[in-house]
Amino acid sequence: EAGVTQFPSHSVIEKGQTVTLRCDPISGHDNLYWYRRVMGKEIKFLLHFVKESKQDESGMPNNRFLAERTGGTYSTLKVQPAELEDSGVYFCASSQEREDRTEAFFGQGTRLTVV
Amino acid sequence: GENVEQHPSTLSVQEGDSAVIKCTYSDSASNYFPWYKQELGKRPQLIIDIRSNVGEKKDQRIAVTLNKTAKHFSLHITETQPEDSAVYFCAALNSGGYQKVTFGIGTKLQVIP
Repeated sequence: EAGVTQFPSHSVIEKGQTVTLRCDPISGHDNLYWYRRVMGKEIKFLLHFVKESKQDESGMPNNRFLAERTGGTYSTLKVQPAELEDSGVYFCASSQEREDRTEAFFGQGTRLTVV
Repeated sequence: GENVEQHPSTLSVQEGDSAVIKCTYSDSASNYFPWYKQELGKRPQLIIDIRSNVGEKKDQRIAVTLNKTAKHFSLHITETQPEDSAVYFCAALNSGGYQKVTFGIGTKLQVIP
């Protein structure tokens, strides 16, 4: 079974530019989450999709961030325009609720550096 | 919302010694507590988890304890090995329905050969 994949693995962009991150969840997983870890800090929740619907986007820092999940499959996270404080590692995770487990499987992350 | 505190932020132990990482949570509705290990450059991976109806769970050299009354839970690694070196994240969530995971800040564990 393929795991959660994220693209790109690294991105270096200038302040003011636009970047789009992509996440392909495990096939069949309804839940898709985006998280971000800024250097040395905790992994912070950004938002949660259930299929194609945004279930909870309370962690989105501001309106420069836009997330979509086309047809309930892959998801994109766009940052426009990027600011220096957006630098960090962006993780995507997916899960499928089962009676005995609530495990979220993580992608390897996209390291975003805004210069 | 939930708030998870984790300490220490860094931990160095000699190979063969034990390592303990402690976390506290704030939301009494949280009932599922996973621990993730992230090796350098790799994805966070679940290593052990515990539900609120259980006080302790063990898997080989790794064990997790939960004190629901005090709202704290701990990860114990015995007979540490160099490959245990990684960042460990504790987390808490309410597994009823679709819920987000709240993570601790992470503990960087270094096992010295």
